[in-house]
Amino acid sequence: EADIYQTPRYLVIGTGKKITLECSQTMGHDKMYWYQQDPGMELHLIHYSYGVNSTEKGDLSSESTVSRIRTEHFPLTLESARPSHTSQYLCASSESPRLQETQYFGPGTRLLVL
Amino acid sequence: GQSLEQPSEVTAVEGAIVQINCTYQTSGFYGLSWYQQHDGGAPTFLSYNALDGLEETGRFSSFLSRSDSYGYLLLQELQMKDSASYFCAVSGSARQLTFGSGTQLTVLP
Repeated sequence: EADIYQTPRYLVIGTGKKITLECSQTMGHDKMYWYQQDPGMELHLIHYSYGVNSTEKGDLSSESTVSRIRTEHFPLTLESARPSHTSQYLCASSESPRLQETQYFGPGTRLLVL
Repeated sequence: GQSLEQPSEVTAVEGAIVQINCTYQTSGFYGLSWYQQHDGGAPTFLSYNALDGLEETGRFSSFLSRSDSYGYLLLQELQMKDSASYFCAVSGSARQLTFGSGTQLTVLP
């Protein structure tokens, strides 16, 4: 079972602030993902990485950026938070290469931008 | 592109059997997965089908028909703790997961 951690779990912040959401996994998975999910809604892929120094944007346009300097760490940064960024952010990882794409999710960060 | 359809809500009583359907359209197909998410929690993996047929894991089973672009999750002997959202997800040519909008299952006593 994968261990994947996210901090903070909850964040309330004012408009215009810079924030970084942390995500770490201890399984040595190459692939990592960031999803955005509003309450009761589907998961939207906003960023993914297939390894160190590899990052790509997902299907949902996002003003956030990510970095992958270490295998285990995949932080997401918002340079200037806005109320429209209020959502839950879920980080996930998966092993590669595998035919079966099983993703392991962190507990999520609930972000409220005032 | 990829799209998935599943019912938004399903209600059943404890001990019953419930089936959650999922139809998909995708460019390239590797498999159909199911995830469970309790309120406020993280999605957790339930099952995966790459080939046609039924996969059984305890009280949960998942079925796939590739020719019909259709699958379902079958939950038997429902328990209160099964109340959650259930997402189907397809792995397509991009080798990522595209999730459906989720089905909220409510189990009544």
